[in-house]
Amino acid sequence: GAVVSQHPSRVICKSGTSVKIECRSLDFQATTMFWYRQFPKQSLMLMATSNEGSKATYEQGVEKDKFLINHASLTLSTLTVTSAHPEDSSFYICSARVGLLNTEAFFGQGTRLTVV
Amino acid sequence: DAKTTQPNSMESNEEEPVHLPCNHSTISGTDYIHWYRQLPSQGPEYVIHGLTSNVNNRMASLAIAEDRKSSTLILHRATLRDAAVYYCILRGPNTGNQFYFGTGTSLTVIP
Repeated sequence: GAVVSQHPSRVICKSGTSVKIECRSLDFQATTMFWYRQFPKQSLMLMATSNEGSKATYEQGVEKDKFLINHASLTLSTLTVTSAHPEDSSFYICSARVGLLNTEAFFGQGTRLTVV
Repeated sequence: DAKTTQPNSMESNEEEPVHLPCNHSTISGTDYIHWYRQLPSQGPEYVIHGLTSNVNNRMASLAIAEDRKSSTLILHRATLRDAAVYYCILRGPNTGNQFYFGTGTSLTVIP
């Protein structure tokens, strides 16, 4: 199957700073990527849909100015958590799909963000 | 969001078959049924998906009810590596073609 790679796998940052997470599709082009957040013992929550060459679409309740998404190429999407606070500490996961309805999605290995 | 209902947890003995149920009574005719699993501290992994007919692959089988309001993921011989949270997800126009995760079923495999 297709491979989606996230970097870094874990990051610790100080409160008030910004941190960028990269999501790459290694062997396919992804016009659409998705960003999820997962708190401990909870399910994945879709944050936003990242579209190559256009603005991301955010789910209700997700602050677009806090979670900046850039999808500048067909193989790379980035999520920047701006002015991070301890409550932003979470497991962030990206996903990409190859086609439309009748295809599976491929997920990155996740990024563990800890804000201290 | 198209809703799915799964038991919170299940247990299985190693090397025995496991049947993981999922109810999706509000499924529409164009929704695909997807199953993913997630091991601790990892991203979800694709397991199988289908529309109307039963599906088989090297990982599992997917049995879809005739009215499509429920489905069952079948692991034919559970191994310790199958211990994970299994998510049943509907994907189609009703979900904006996105994947919305429910609470999933946490599978414990007993040696």
